[in-house]
Amino acid sequence: SQQGEEDPQALSIQEGENATMNCSYKTSINNLQWYRQNSGRGLVHLILIRSNEREKHSGRLRVTLDTSKKSSSLLITASRAADTASYFCATDAGETSGSRLTFGEGTQLTVNP
Amino acid sequence: DGGITQSPKYLFRKEGQNVTLSCEQNLNHDAMYWYRQDPGQGLRLIYYSQIVNDFQKGDIAEGYSVSREKKESFPLTVTSAQKNPTAFYLCASKILAGGSNEQFFGPGTRLTVL
Repeated sequence: SQQGEEDPQALSIQEGENATMNCSYKTSINNLQWYRQNSGRGLVHLILIRSNEREKHSGRLRVTLDTSKKSSSLLITASRAADTASYFCATDAGETSGSRLTFGEGTQLTVNP
Repeated sequence: DGGITQSPKYLFRKEGQNVTLSCEQNLNHDAMYWYRQDPGQGLRLIYYSQIVNDFQKGDIAEGYSVSREKKESFPLTVTSAQKNPTAFYLCASKILAGGSNEQFFGPGTRLTVL
């Protein structure tokens, strides 16, 4: 079953604007990861945030995690047309679960030039 | 080049036929995973393996089978028992101990049942 739920399902913005995507989950996690998928391709790992972290940055990416609300957000600042892709959150419950990832439904981001 | 490869990129199958999708990695990763992705949706776990000669069912294992005879290889067979096999199949791998916890994905195989 899909644990993660993401919103919005689709987001269309202009180049230079910021894009924010949200993810909610249901069970306890060891870490939460964000992945990007270009159309028809495999997924690429973007960033990982552990359950004891609240915020993490990587270049133009900023991820927050609120374990009390079981939610995370991904912010892409100063977006570019090349950021157009689907973005997925994935929760990892740890080694006791076989280090499985449970993916959300994804947010389709379109950045217009 | 190090990485994870899947073949073929596109695969067509007639109803009632079994078909095997290939997944190979030369990253020396311990665990390997198979996911199914339907249009506009997220990934669902079919099977995973943490060690050679051992594997576990994921959330949607019915109609699929796997083997893990070598660390580098984790082929997926889509059997005739899978009622709706047309989908995009993704293979992934990761290091288990001391790794970064991220999964590395192959480019995917798009299976179409005619």
